Amino acid sequence: SQELEQSPQSLIVQEGKNLTINCTSSKTLYGLYWYKQKYGEGLIFLMMLQKGGEEKSHEKITAKLDEKKQQSSLHITASQPSHAGIYLCGADNHGAGSYQLTFGKGTKLSVIP
Amino acid sequence: NAGVTQTPKFQVLKTGQSMTLQCAQDMNHNSMYWYRQDPGMGLRLIYYSASEGTTDKGEVPNGYNVSRLKKQNFLLGLESAAPSQTSVYFCASSEVTGYGYTFGSGTRLTVV
Repeated sequence: SQELEQSPQSLIVQEGKNLTINCTSSKTLYGLYWYKQKYGEGLIFLMMLQKGGEEKSHEKITAKLDEKKQQSSLHITASQPSHAGIYLCGADNHGAGSYQLTFGKGTKLSVIP
Repeated sequence: NAGVTQTPKFQVLKTGQSMTLQCAQDMNHNSMYWYRQDPGMGLRLIYYSASEGTTDKGEVPNGYNVSRLKKQNFLLGLESAAPSQTSVYFCASSEVTGYGYTFGSGTRLTVV
């Protein structure tokens, strides 16, 4: 099965700073999903990437999938306390159509005011 | 819309007891999933259901059973709870051709 490595495991940044979280796969990524989780809550869907070189943005968060489709990055610009939480990447396990996601272990983000 | 609703939110069981975790979705999604989340292990798939009436094992199915008798409901059963099943359980649903899962808010289960 697919394995996803996220880095860093945890991150503490000062409010207003930029940051990047990476997600690396052992296999080709057919669909790469980014989620955010706040403590005690479920996962909130952020973005999905499918095509090599694809980039999507929502507010101050930008996600990219590299051309080889084995690595994705999540970039937050001018971080705010509301960005704090755990960010998880998930990947389609078996290629197109299966929609069984394997997840990375998450990156815990803390934003200091 | 409520999305995905899980009940209960919290539960404490004694070793050997049985219980059923409930999951309901109101989005008419075909596929539903049960995951468990443990510190340092991330999210691991227990069982999934690609459509009403079908279920398949995921990565960690031992000690669990599931049923999907209705499209909107996916039940996760623990026949004889063990301390190793202490975890946070998440249910999710998705369109077959969708854009990612919609997750419930989780059930925090403690087995003592």
